[in-house]
Amino acid sequence: EAGVTQFPSHSVIEKGQTVTLRCDPISGHDNLYWYRRVMGKEIKFLLHFVKESKQDESGMPNNRFLAERTGGTYSTLKVQPAELEDSGVYFCASSQPTSALTDTQYFGPGTRLTVL
Amino acid sequence: DQQVKQNSPSLSVQEGRISILNCDYTNSMFDYFLWYKKYPAEGPTFLISISSIKDKNEDGRFTVFLNKSAKHLSLHIVPSQPGDSAVYFCAASAPYGQNFVFGPGTRLSVLP
Repeated sequence: EAGVTQFPSHSVIEKGQTVTLRCDPISGHDNLYWYRRVMGKEIKFLLHFVKESKQDESGMPNNRFLAERTGGTYSTLKVQPAELEDSGVYFCASSQPTSALTDTQYFGPGTRLTVL
Repeated sequence: DQQVKQNSPSLSVQEGRISILNCDYTNSMFDYFLWYKKYPAEGPTFLISISSIKDKNEDGRFTVFLNKSAKHLSLHIVPSQPGDSAVYFCAASAPYGQNFVFGPGTRLSVLP
């Protein structure tokens, strides 16, 4: 079974440009999450989709970030315009709801974004 | 303010010995805790979890201990192997919460 995949693996852009990151969750997983790790610090939650709906976007830093999950399959995270402080590694994770209170999330390899 | 803390940024142990990684949290609402392992250029990989109704969970060489009164958990790896060298993240979530709060990570180096 394929795991969570993310594209691209690396992206280098200039300040003010636009970048779109893509995440393909594990097939059949309704839950999709975006996290980011900035400057080697802790991994921080950005937002959570359940199918195509945004369940929680409390971690989105500002309105330069736009996440979509049309059709409830893959998701995109667009940063427009990118700023220097947006540099970091963006992780996507997915999970399938179970009877447990909290589901184990499976992470993708991440996209390393560098804004110059 | 960090809700999940891993005060040791790095730890080195000899192969075959025990590795103990510590994690402290401040939010008393957290009731589910996980440890993730991360190799360079890869995403975090789930390792082991524990619910607040337990104080210990064991899976092979990995054991997680939870002390709710101290808001402290630890991951024990016995015996440590060179392949265990990675960054270990502690993560926590509140009841019915799907969003994990991660600690900053501890880099474990197991020396042959």
